Amino acid sequence: EAAVTQSPRNKVAVTGGKVTLSCNQTNNHNNMYWYRQDTGHGLRLIHYSYGAGSTEKGDIPDGYKASRPSQENFSLILELATPSQTSVYFCASGDAAANTEVFFGKGTRLTVV
Amino acid sequence: GMPVEQNPPALSLYEGADSGLRCNFSTTMKSVQWFQQNHRGRLITLFYLAQGTKENGRLKSTFNSKERYSTLHIKDAQLEDSGTYFCAAGRNTGNYKYVFGAGTRLKVIA
Repeated sequence: EAAVTQSPRNKVAVTGGKVTLSCNQTNNHNNMYWYRQDTGHGLRLIHYSYGAGSTEKGDIPDGYKASRPSQENFSLILELATPSQTSVYFCASGDAAANTEVFFGKGTRLTVV
Repeated sequence: GMPVEQNPPALSLYEGADSGLRCNFSTTMKSVQWFQQNHRGRLITLFYLAQGTKENGRLKSTFNSKERYSTLHIKDAQLEDSGTYFCAAGRNTGNYKYVFGAGTRLKVIA
């Protein structure tokens, strides 16, 4: 069974603080994704990666950075967290070359106060 | 317009009823995946399709890349089918972004 693990699962951060959300996959997938989910918007793509060392901007990258230090790990970084970044964040992995499905983690609930 | 348009945004069904959800794509997509998000927020994959039709129990999904749409049909709706259903579509390789529809909130009524 493909596995995508996110940590932490819940986080409360203060405005202006730095937040790092971590994602680990054991699927040996090249592609990894970070989404946020807000009511009325579905899931929106923040950043994605084609492999270790690569990060690409998604549809709503402003205020976020990403890091892909290895095949297995993909982090989402909020350098200066704001209340508007309160959301549920999902990480996913997939193998575009093999044209297989994308697997999601369980999500991280972030509250910025 | 939006790359993935999902309809209807909300749906109420009585137990035992049948219904369908639809996603229209503004451009050619390579694949589509359907999810149910349960009350805990977990995304459960229902189907992955690169083409054609798949069935699993009371659920059936079709993907037509050329006509730019996908459907999810629910037969004999049950209370546990309640939740939010999303389609997500993958664009061409080389820029493999995976884009979601806004979801359909389904409520099954006894």
